[in-house]
Amino acid sequence: IAGITQAPTSQILAAGRRMTLRCTQDMRHNAMYWYRQDLGLGLRLIHYSNTAGTTGKGEVPDGYSVSRANTDDFPLTLASAVPSQTSVYFCASSEGAGGNEQFFGPGTRLTVL
Amino acid sequence: GQNIDQPTEMTATEGAIVQINCTYQTSGFNGLFWYQQHAGEAPTFLSYNVLDGLEEKGRFSSFLSRSKGYSYLLLKELQMKDSASYLCAVLDSNYQLIWGAGTKLIIKP
Repeated sequence: IAGITQAPTSQILAAGRRMTLRCTQDMRHNAMYWYRQDLGLGLRLIHYSNTAGTTGKGEVPDGYSVSRANTDDFPLTLASAVPSQTSVYFCASSEGAGGNEQFFGPGTRLTVL
Repeated sequence: GQNIDQPTEMTATEGAIVQINCTYQTSGFNGLFWYQQHAGEAPTFLSYNVLDGLEEKGRFSSFLSRSKGYSYLLLKELQMKDSASYLCAVLDSNYQLIWGAGTKLIIKP
């Protein structure tokens, strides 16, 4: 039972490069989320998807895009990375949107130089 | 604006009791979550309160007062493994989670 997985675990990236962070869940959850976590700040929502085929913008969506072609996968793409996108990225899923417990992946530590 | 406040850091002794407070001001309220996050790991769910009162789950309890915009997490019989950050999060009117910065709890022997 994997739950929710993310890849890569960590990455160092040159500014201006394109990067896709992968997220896969096997719990058949409808809702999925991408957060970034920076020191001294709370988790901030980047994008979310309440169900396959739909996506929405969170608190800090600029510079990021997502897609939700199926239930299991929710990749996050940085079109042209900038140093301010250096962060730890967590993918999460929940059975439905709203008052459901969110399950988190192990995170991707991204450094943009 | 939306705001979640919790202490940055707390220290407690093994075997003791500690209370971590969280106050919030959000656009709407659809419940409050507490998560635990060990250093370098992902957050894991501890509790969910949507009605006023105390919810007890083993050594951990969570309290909510909606009229005061206030919650606390109570940890009893502290163990060294309880050293972690504790995150408070509120589900707002759009059913999105607004997160506090977390409280780092240090347990001393």
